[in-house]
Amino acid sequence: SQTIHQWPATLVQPVGSPLSLECTVEGTSNPNLYWYRQAAGRGLQLLFYSVGIGQISSEVPQNLSASRPQDRQFILSSKKLLLSDSGFYLCAWSVSRTSDQPQHFGDGTRLSIL
Amino acid sequence: AQSVSQHNHHVILSEAASLELGCNYSYGGTVNLFWYVQYPGQHLQLLLKYFSGDPLVKGIKGFEAEFIKSKFSFNLRKPSVQWSDTAEYFCAVNSGNTPLVFGKGTRLSVIA
Repeated sequence: SQTIHQWPATLVQPVGSPLSLECTVEGTSNPNLYWYRQAAGRGLQLLFYSVGIGQISSEVPQNLSASRPQDRQFILSSKKLLLSDSGFYLCAWSVSRTSDQPQHFGDGTRLSIL
Repeated sequence: AQSVSQHNHHVILSEAASLELGCNYSYGGTVNLFWYVQYPGQHLQLLLKYFSGDPLVKGIKGFEAEFIKSKFSFNLRKPSVQWSDTAEYFCAVNSGNTPLVFGKGTRLSVIA
């Protein structure tokens, strides 16, 4: 069966420090991969999605970037974190090239910027 | 661009009360519709989905949702809620092979 791993679960970082959040999927190949940020009362905001290695679509201009170095690995990064980057970050995957499949979510990373 | 509106931010119900959470989307073409649930301390999980066919969709834990195309709505219902239904509920839509667009969520609190 497929599983999705996200780490770390929680992270506290100072303003201006770099960031790297990792997400990996097991049990499937060539998945679509997604990064969302969840904020209370604001739902889930899509940040990036990827339909293949090296293919990244950005939905919202921001201080973050994403990379997909391997088929089942999706990384969220920043060179210099801002206070506004605090939030709950969720990785998700879905079967590629079919729109009628749901997205499956990881457990999330709670990021606090001090 | 697609958008999803969930009009209720926080709903408080007593156990055994009936539930209806509103969801409206804006997109004129063929859409796929989803409801996700996030229980306290847990990850998001799929509650039910609609792609085609019968507009009344049955999901897990006694939930159902009805797709009304003319109203661009996909409201979630449950005839009798339980304390364990306390959670946040998200409506989502996509079309083609696009990522899901989520509503802002509705927090449901069920009290004894």
